[in-house]
Amino acid sequence: AQKITQTQPGMFVQEKEAVTLDCTYDTSDQSYGLFWYKQPSSGEMIFLIYQGSYDEQNATEGRYSLNFQKARKSANLVISASQLGDSAMYFCAMRPSIRHTGTASKLTFGTGTRLQVTL
Amino acid sequence: DTGVSQDPRHKITKRGQNVTFRCDPISEHNRLYWYRQTLGQGPEFLTYFQNEAQLEKSRLLSDRFSAERPKGSFSTLEIQRTEQGDSAMYLCASSEIMTGAEAFFGQGTRLTVV
Repeated sequence: AQKITQTQPGMFVQEKEAVTLDCTYDTSDQSYGLFWYKQPSSGEMIFLIYQGSYDEQNATEGRYSLNFQKARKSANLVISASQLGDSAMYFCAMRPSIRHTGTASKLTFGTGTRLQVTL
Repeated sequence: DTGVSQDPRHKITKRGQNVTFRCDPISEHNRLYWYRQTLGQGPEFLTYFQNEAQLEKSRLLSDRFSAERPKGSFSTLEIQRTEQGDSAMYLCASSEIMTGAEAFFGQGTRLTVV
């Protein structure tokens, strides 16, 4: 079974500052993907960034970067130069590969971190 | 293609009634997932399809829940004899088959059982 732990229920950050949202995971699978999604108050889940378990370099997408530490089973999201529009819930999720096929299984989500960006 | 669409966006129903939700995935995606999200929680997996085959069901999916994807395109999720505990956001997502493929989510159907 897979488990995602997000220990920060809420975070505050000032506009233009960087913020790190923590995520640790637990799995016995060798091949898996790690994802971060943003959920604004409107409800839709917006994909932000992906990291494969065999990727040697940390993923980056614009202002988002993923600090992947495989030995520690952590996949923290770093948002640089925070903007007011970044205020939302952020979910870390994991998707293992199905054994023998290498194809995608279901996503398992954490409980989320609510980020509030202040002036 | 405008993304994953779900219908209706909101549904209020009386306890004991049946409800059905529809999800239209991105057309080239052969994986379709249903999740349920309650207030303050992350989405929880319910079931998923590869084309028309239902490959996995969560134990959260009681006998009152049934999902179909008859032609490998749109999917329906039916809840029979609704209970107040069924009140939640029901999210549909679709993706390609690879592990690294991002899942695209619809805007969800918010169900309120009164």
